[in-house]
Amino acid sequence: QSALTQPRSVSGSPGQSVTISCTGTSSDVGGYNYVSWYQHHPGKAPKVMIYDVSKRPSGVPDRFSGSKSGNTASLTISGLQAEDEADYYCSSYAGSYTFVLFGGGTKLTVL
Amino acid sequence: EVQLWESGGGLVQPGGSLRLSCAASGFTFNSYAMSWVRQAPGKGLEWVSVIYSGGISTYYADSVKGRFTISRDNSKNTLYLQMNSLRAEDTAVYYCAKDRGHYDSATYEHVLGFDYWGQGTLVTVSS
Repeated sequence: QSALTQPRSVSGSPGQSVTISCTGTSSDVGGYNYVSWYQHHPGKAPKVMIYDVSKRPSGVPDRFSGSKSGNTASLTISGLQAEDEADYYCSSYAGSYTFVLFGGGTKLTVL
Repeated sequence: EVQLWESGGGLVQPGGSLRLSCAASGFTFNSYAMSWVRQAPGKGLEWVSVIYSGGISTYYADSVKGRFTISRDNSKNTLYLQMNSLRAEDTAVYYCAKDRGHYDSATYEHVLGFDYWGQGTLVTVSS
């Protein structure tokens, strides 16, 4: 069982929006504004899509957005496209002993 | 362009050893902490270990402490993971990941986070 809880799967049709949640505790997600989201196409390198809860690296479409409320962070993908189909993982800084925790991953299917 | 390329994975018997390497390019390697992160089959990601830029400070997840050793050769832009006393539960794809080099503005604490990853190398521990 992973430290952060994500839904196993979500799905949506092209053009729709989906939201993926990531639930932790006050010692990780709720305690720091250092949540990241990674997109992973199997066999490829994971790619950071969101960092520091809601910041987008250059080159990441603004269809990807992040937010946080309490111990739960969320990734929202709007205007779904076929190439968005991938696994998505959240991570959170968790202090100078645990360092970083990950979620179990969510498989996004674009119908 | 930042590139990370892992190698050294393979099949090893329980109790055996393996050394992974990660060749880095496209950034000033000796300025950043580097980590290993793994993904067991059907499971989520798990942070394994970090080594800071000078190669002195190292930290490990409890699951590998005492069995794995992280190291780096800044002259070769290469990260290593020596894995000893391997167990079936160490079976995973192992990724190297570059730290983004962020420090919290209030506490000046280093915040471990990753901006680039390699494609991974598979380690299978089985008899």
